[in-house]
Amino acid sequence: EPEVTQTPSHQVTQMGQEVILRCVPISNHLYFYWYRQILGQKVEFLVSFYNNEISEKSEIFDDQFSVERPDGSNFTLKIRSTKLEDSAMYFCATHTDHEKLFFGSGTQLSVL
Amino acid sequence: GIQVEQSPPDLILQEGANSTLRCNFSDSVNNLQWFHQNPWGQLINLFYIPSGTKQNGRLSATTVATERYSLLYISSSQTTDSGVYFCAAVLGGNKLVFGAGTILRVKS
Repeated sequence: EPEVTQTPSHQVTQMGQEVILRCVPISNHLYFYWYRQILGQKVEFLVSFYNNEISEKSEIFDDQFSVERPDGSNFTLKIRSTKLEDSAMYFCATHTDHEKLFFGSGTQLSVL
Repeated sequence: GIQVEQSPPDLILQEGANSTLRCNFSDSVNNLQWFHQNPWGQLINLFYIPSGTKQNGRLSATTVATERYSLLYISSSQTTDSGVYFCAAVLGGNKLVFGAGTILRVKS
């Protein structure tokens, strides 16, 4: 089965530092998402991306967050100045039209 | 926004037992999916089921959209079925709203 690939699997950073999380979507998928899951809690939507622009974002996705698809393959999530409360598992997910959502294996972000 | 509620919150089964997990949602949906999060944290899509019934091996799911609920059936459970089961629904657009999950533990 095709896979969504995420790197790194773990990221430890100091508060205030910038982090970039990377995702390689499944090749024929058109819709890209970032979700996050704080330890022990439900999975929360952050942002959806289609046709090279943000189509929807949550209240969590404030000015500290940004997404881009710089080279037509990778899909990135940048957090400009990390806070302690940004510590979570971040999942990339992709799908085609009217199809099930495929998740990557996640990046565990720890902000110290 | 749409509310997604799952029950039960926790479930312990003996290996070989059957179980039913329920997902209620507050509005009409055009997209309902079930996921299994394994002990390593991976989210595996089990079903894309906006309506009707689907089966995949020992798992099956039914969504009754008009009554705003979906059920996930696990038959002859195995220890590898342990983990957290999430349902997630889309009201409009493509944003999936997740329920809080059912934690399943299957004992050998």
